[in-house]
Amino acid sequence: DTGVSQDPRHKITKRGQNVTFRCDPISEHNRLYWYRQTLGQGPEFLTYFQNEAQLEKSRLLSDRFSAERPKGSFSTLEIQRTEQGDSAMYLCASSLNSRDFETQYFGPGTRLLVL
Amino acid sequence: AQSVTQLDSHVSVSEGTPVLLRCNYSSSYSPSLFWYVQHPNKGLQLLLKYTSAATLVKGINGFEAEFKKSETSFHLTKPSAHMSDAAEYFCVVRWDLGGKLIFGQGTELSVKP
Repeated sequence: DTGVSQDPRHKITKRGQNVTFRCDPISEHNRLYWYRQTLGQGPEFLTYFQNEAQLEKSRLLSDRFSAERPKGSFSTLEIQRTEQGDSAMYLCASSLNSRDFETQYFGPGTRLLVL
Repeated sequence: AQSVTQLDSHVSVSEGTPVLLRCNYSSSYSPSLFWYVQHPNKGLQLLLKYTSAATLVKGINGFEAEFKKSETSFHLTKPSAHMSDAAEYFCVVRWDLGGKLIFGQGTELSVKP
């Protein structure tokens, strides 16, 4: 499978714990995006990278959230001191920056439940 | 503020009848527009995208959408619904090349036999 992959697919944690999610983009894609989707809502943008540079962060991304893409390939999203309000689906997408209107391809998501 | 509004949270049709999912955007200029579909327990899949080359855009699985600048709309249609079309549909906008996507609230499409 050459699509976007995310790991784990599901995570249950207790409030206050730290969690880390991984996203592997399509191999030649230089842009990587993180979104969050809560029940009954559309996905909301969190942050994105071009290669290893983090170019934009949403106000939704509090200081408990941190994302990295150290070598411009896979990315990790860490949530520290999780809260029940962090329960959501975390989606990763990748794209190839080009002069044409690029398409973002989404992974299956990581569903987080904070108890 | 730039935004996208899906006018129906839920649409129910019978198999074989037309589908219309409505979407309006607010912007001072023409954005890039997309429709994505999300089946239960599956990732978001691109149906079609508007790139300013043509106002009528054809996508996968028989779906199409028409960009109407005067109405700031980008409604999704399909002539004949199939049971497999039942899913959540998102109208999406992007205002800068390569930037973040702004999703609508979604429209859940149900297809009755």
